[in-house]
Amino acid sequence: ETGVTQTPRHLVMGMTNKKSLKCEQHLGHNAMYWYKQSAKKPLELMFVYNFKEQTENNSVPSRFSPECPNSSHLFLHLHTLQPEDSALYLCASSHTISTGGGYEQYFGPGTRLTVT
Amino acid sequence: GQQVMQIPQYQHVQEGEDFTTYCNSSTTLSNIQWYKQRPGGHPVFLIQLVKSGEVKKQKRLTFQFGEAKKNSSLHITATQTTDVGTYFCAGVEYGGSQGNLIFGKGTKLSVKP
Repeated sequence: ETGVTQTPRHLVMGMTNKKSLKCEQHLGHNAMYWYKQSAKKPLELMFVYNFKEQTENNSVPSRFSPECPNSSHLFLHLHTLQPEDSALYLCASSHTISTGGGYEQYFGPGTRLTVT
Repeated sequence: GQQVMQIPQYQHVQEGEDFTTYCNSSTTLSNIQWYKQRPGGHPVFLIQLVKSGEVKKQKRLTFQFGEAKKNSSLHITATQTTDVGTYFCAGVEYGGSQGNLIFGKGTKLSVKP
């Protein structure tokens, strides 16, 4: 499955570093999502973009900054992270978003982030 | 806020045994989706249920959506080693945005050959 790609696949960064995660979808979708998956918590929705506009920001700390230049690309800019931010960061896309019935989400392989 | 609870957290079965995972929402859902995540992999969409009382089947997998649209279940008949992974339900609160999909913690299934 190569519909949604993420780079890098693994990232180790210090707490003072600045790095970016990249996601690209080749499915012609209009909605893109960032999720955080850590060992002891459910998959947590972080940000949602629909037609390049941010529609959801689930109380994510400002040290995470999303960017969506177009419907195919999504970035997550990271700065001054904490060790508890270590997790698998998953990008997903869907046709669009709507109320009521929804659309399935297609996930990328994720970036395994370790903050030291 | 909306919460989606999933039980059990872990399930170990012998190959050939059946398996069921249950999902309960604190609020009425407009739809519910199920995903499977293999070890080391990413979530993969399995199915979406929208109608009250809906039942859908995919080969050995049977999905149900409760009459009140607050609970759902996934049943696997005669498990195989290829069924290993974590099964997540994810729901959208009735009247809410599809963009705000709330996931359960998942049920991790292991199958002993």
